[in-house]
Amino acid sequence: AQKVTQAQTEISVVEKEDVTLDCVYETRDTTYYLFWYKQPPSGELVFLIRRNSFDEQNEISGRYSWNFQKSTSSFNFTITASQVVDSAVYFCALSEAGTGANNLFFGTGTRLTVIP
Amino acid sequence: DAGVIQSPRHEVTEMGQEVTLRCKPISGHNSLFWYRQTMMRGLELLIYFNNNVPIDDSGMPEDRFSAKMPNASFSTLKIQPSEPRDSAVYFCASSLAEMANYGYTFGSGTRLTVV
Repeated sequence: AQKVTQAQTEISVVEKEDVTLDCVYETRDTTYYLFWYKQPPSGELVFLIRRNSFDEQNEISGRYSWNFQKSTSSFNFTITASQVVDSAVYFCALSEAGTGANNLFFGTGTRLTVIP
Repeated sequence: DAGVIQSPRHEVTEMGQEVTLRCKPISGHNSLFWYRQTMMRGLELLIYFNNNVPIDDSGMPEDRFSAKMPNASFSTLKIQPSEPRDSAVYFCASSLAEMANYGYTFGSGTRLTVV
């Protein structure tokens, strides 16, 4: 079963628009961790945020914000006033602490294109 | 901090040849991970090491793949013999803790093309 679902394959927005990238996860663990990574056209994977399952407080970092809702198993990512430099593929990922596994389960990614 | 360093950045090889991908983790990180990224399968974990010891290699696709970590500052992923379906981007990542909970730092990846 897919542990992390990113239903939006591609999104295009015009510069300065706000955009929300959806992430739905599935786990039976009570302790788990959620991540967002950015993969720009250059190809590297850039860590954006980590959130543990006990902390549902939303987080804001500049133009980025994250909405974690355990009730809907979602960890959505919003970019406010998008810029061309935000164009990238964004991955949501899950780590389950209970299994002792050291695997980050990645979603299939959402390709964001910001049009100038 | 130079980050996780992978080499080469690009590799083109003929089917049947041996390919060796290299990784230097961040100094002080005690866990190292090899991931493969393809269009069909996305990002998948191949193997990870903790304190230079392979912990889980269940993601290694088949016996043609092998990985080593002779010391804390170097790891290799070898494919012998290579096949066209091995074409992918291979990422190395390292972290401070054994658990993935702290997040990984990824290298820039090696784009492998097997013709």
